[in-house]
Order: sequence, then C-alpha cells, then structure tokens
Amino acid sequence: GAVVSQHPSWVICKSGTSVKIECRSLDFQATTMFWYRQFPKQSLMLMATSNEGSKATYEQGVEKDKFLINHASLTLSTLTVTSAHPEDSSFYICSARSGGGYGYTFGSGTRLTVV
Amino acid sequence: KQEVTQIPAALSVPEGENLVLNCSFTDSAIYNLQWFRQDPGKGLTSLLLIQSSQREQTSGRLNASLDKSSGRSTLYIAASQPGDSATYLCAVLNNAGNMLTFGGGTRLMVKP
Repeated sequence: GAVVSQHPSWVICKSGTSVKIECRSLDFQATTMFWYRQFPKQSLMLMATSNEGSKATYEQGVEKDKFLINHASLTLSTLTVTSAHPEDSSFYICSARSGGGYGYTFGSGTRLTVV
Repeated sequence: KQEVTQIPAALSVPEGENLVLNCSFTDSAIYNLQWFRQDPGKGLTSLLLIQSSQREQTSGRLNASLDKSSGRSTLYIAASQPGDSATYLCAVLNNAGNMLTFGGGTRLMVKP
C-alpha cells in the first residue's frame, strides 16, 4: 500500500527559531501534497496545498510567510515554521493522494512544541 | 461549500457491542468518501474508501455504506473491542477539486 513518511515525529524548539518538517511519499509519486494542522480534540484543518514545481496554495487565514512550503520533487514536500512562537505549537500532518484506489494517505504527524 | 458532520461526537460502549457511526455531507457531488482512524497523537490510518459509484465496502469487522443521494455514510463496527478505541473521521472528496473535507470526528471508547 501507499506510504507517507513524516519527520520528525516530535520537536521542541525555542521561540523565534525555525523548524522544518519533511513529508515523503515512499512508494509513489505525489504531484500534490497537503498540510494540515490539528488542535487537541479537533478535526484536521487544511493549511495549504503543496504543488510540485510551483508555489503552494494557502487556505484563508494561513500566513504564507510563516509557514513556508517547498515541494521540490515528486516525493518530498517540506513545511518550515519560521520564527516560531508558542501559539504555533500544534500537531501538523501531511497527506498525499496515491491513486490506484488507495485514496489519501497520511503521514504519522509531527508534534511541535514551542517554548 | 461542502460541509461534513459526524454524529455522535463521542461514544462510550462496553466491549462486544455493535456500533454505528454516522457521517453526513451537504453536497452530493462527491468523487469518493473515506473513513479514517486516528489514535491519540498519531496520524490517520485509512480504513475504508468508497467510490461514488459504490454502495458499501467491507474490511474485517468494519462495514461502510454510502447513500450519495441522501448525503449519508455509516461506519458499522461489529463486536467492538477495546482496541477499537480511537477517533474515527470521515472525509469526502468532491468531484471538483482534490481536497478532502473532514467531519469533526467521533471519539470512541470501548470499555473492557
């Protein structure tokens, strides 16, 4: 089956620093990947759609300068949280559509804590 | 704009019960519907994918049905076990676009 690998699974960083999260499709190519944010006991909130070789599409209210997305290859998308602040602490999850009847596959998520 | 609702938001049952989780959506022009399971602090695991032309899908003790015209899907869990405790999310993919729209989830607790 389709597998999406997300790293790191958790990260603690100091306020003002930047953090990069990687999302890789291991056994399929993904021209489009999606980044979600999830607060405790809430459903997933789509942040942006990552397109290989072009700019990401951000949802309304998501700061593109704070959440930098790069999709440089068909198997890798990265989300960089720049100048992180405690309010950026959250659970971030990526996903990709693998086709072949598998629907959407999700990464294991990254727990970001900004102190 | 597609809206997805899941009822109930939370459910606690004794082990062995058969369960029905409900999902409704406002726009019937969907490409497919997918049920996911999420354990605390983890990503999403796909359980069942139903294409718009299908009525149901089964995997082990899980059965998902789809009634596109009425905008409803149900996830049936037979003979529930404590290991089934998790949050269950349904998500629809519209014909137009490639983004999933998620419901709020049902938090299930199966007590031994």
